[in-house]
Amino acid sequence: GNSVTQMEGPVTLSEEAFLTINCTYTATGYPSLFWYVQYPGEGLQLLLKATKADDKGSNKGFEATYRKETTSFHLEKGSVQVSDSAVYFCALSENSGYALNFGKGTSLLVTP
Amino acid sequence: NAGVTQTPKFQVLKTGQSMTLQCAQDMNHEYMSWYRQDPGMGLRLIHYSVGAGITDQGEVPNGYNVSRSTTEDFPLRLLSAAPSQTSVYFCASRPGTTPSRGGPLHFGNGTRLTVT
Repeated sequence: GNSVTQMEGPVTLSEEAFLTINCTYTATGYPSLFWYVQYPGEGLQLLLKATKADDKGSNKGFEATYRKETTSFHLEKGSVQVSDSAVYFCALSENSGYALNFGKGTSLLVTP
Repeated sequence: NAGVTQTPKFQVLKTGQSMTLQCAQDMNHEYMSWYRQDPGMGLRLIHYSVGAGITDQGEVPNGYNVSRSTTEDFPLRLLSAAPSQTSVYFCASRPGTTPSRGGPLHFGNGTRLTVT
């Protein structure tokens, strides 16, 4: 079946540090890949997505590239801010399916 | 500009009690779903619906019922609550049905349920 594996947190970084959150996936077909973010006390929001191999999703300074050869979709940001502190979820969906399969989430804390 | 509205925000139940978690969206989205979020487990899909009158099971449907009589509402029913159902529940909706071709999932702010 489909599954997503994320690096375990929490991840603690200083402001302006470089961020990488690893995500790898297992899927039977050619899935679409997503990153969602959850700020404290809120529901999840879509951060970025990629629907085919070699696509790069980007938003708010975050980027992730769909790598079919390594089945990965790592999230990166060049310079994190305190306001980026949140839980980040990697997710996938088969293109013909309805559901999203989420990873377990990675908590990020950015300190001033 | 309400989006997805979940009620209540918090609920405490005793084992064996029943209750309904309400979810309403005002965006005319076809797809609606319920997830539960548990520490170390991420989000797991309970039930989903691709339109009024159509529902289907997700990954963890046991102990939960749903119905979709209107496009706007998608209530989640616990018929006999158990401590294992202590969790944070999120309702989410999306324009279109498939994630790749439809828009992003819009989440409510969650219902924190404790079963004692």
